[in-house]
Amino acid sequence: AQSVTQLDSHVSVSEGTPVLLRCNYSSSYSPSLFWYVQHPNKGLQLLLKYTSAATLVKGINGFEAEFKKSETSFHLTKPSAHMSDAAEYFCVVEDNAGNMLTFGGGTRLMVKP
Amino acid sequence: DTGVSQDPRHKITKRGQNVTFRCDPISEHNRLYWYRQTLGQGPEFLTYFQNEAQLEKSRLLSDRFSAERPKGSFSTLEIQRTEQGDSAMYLCAARMGGSTGELFFGEGSRLTVL
Repeated sequence: AQSVTQLDSHVSVSEGTPVLLRCNYSSSYSPSLFWYVQHPNKGLQLLLKYTSAATLVKGINGFEAEFKKSETSFHLTKPSAHMSDAAEYFCVVEDNAGNMLTFGGGTRLMVKP
Repeated sequence: DTGVSQDPRHKITKRGQNVTFRCDPISEHNRLYWYRQTLGQGPEFLTYFQNEAQLEKSRLLSDRFSAERPKGSFSTLEIQRTEQGDSAMYLCAARMGGSTGELFFGEGSRLTVL
């Protein structure tokens, strides 16, 4: 079985400051891990994906995430927040057959001017 | 544009009525998934298709729920005798190839059961 825990349901940062969204996963095999973003009234969009290649993964819009097996973590970071980054972010683990994605509960990112 | 469209975008119905949602992926998307998302939660897996074959169903998919993909193209998700607990966003997602292609999500169909 696999599971994902997003450690913060809400994160608030000021524009121009760093962003850290935390994610821990549980999996009995080497997982594929993702971060998705969901803007209001928009579909889920893939930010980045880890599939056992480089442990530091770069995504769109300046986001990146680091896979740490020893900590079973896959935290999402961005050096400088922009107002347009305000959205809901989901950490996701995929089973090794690619049949099912398991989503975390989400982290709502708020960016203050 | 992800190439996955869902219809209707919003549906309000009374308890006990039947509703049907439709998902149209692009023709190359041979895997199609249905997820349900309630307010403040992450999406939960319901079922998926490989072409026209329904290969896995979640325990969340009670016998009031049925999904089809008759020709391996569009898919429908029907909920019979709706209950207030069915109120949620129903998301469709699709991918090309086997299990490793990027998963593209539609914008969802929001169901409100009064």
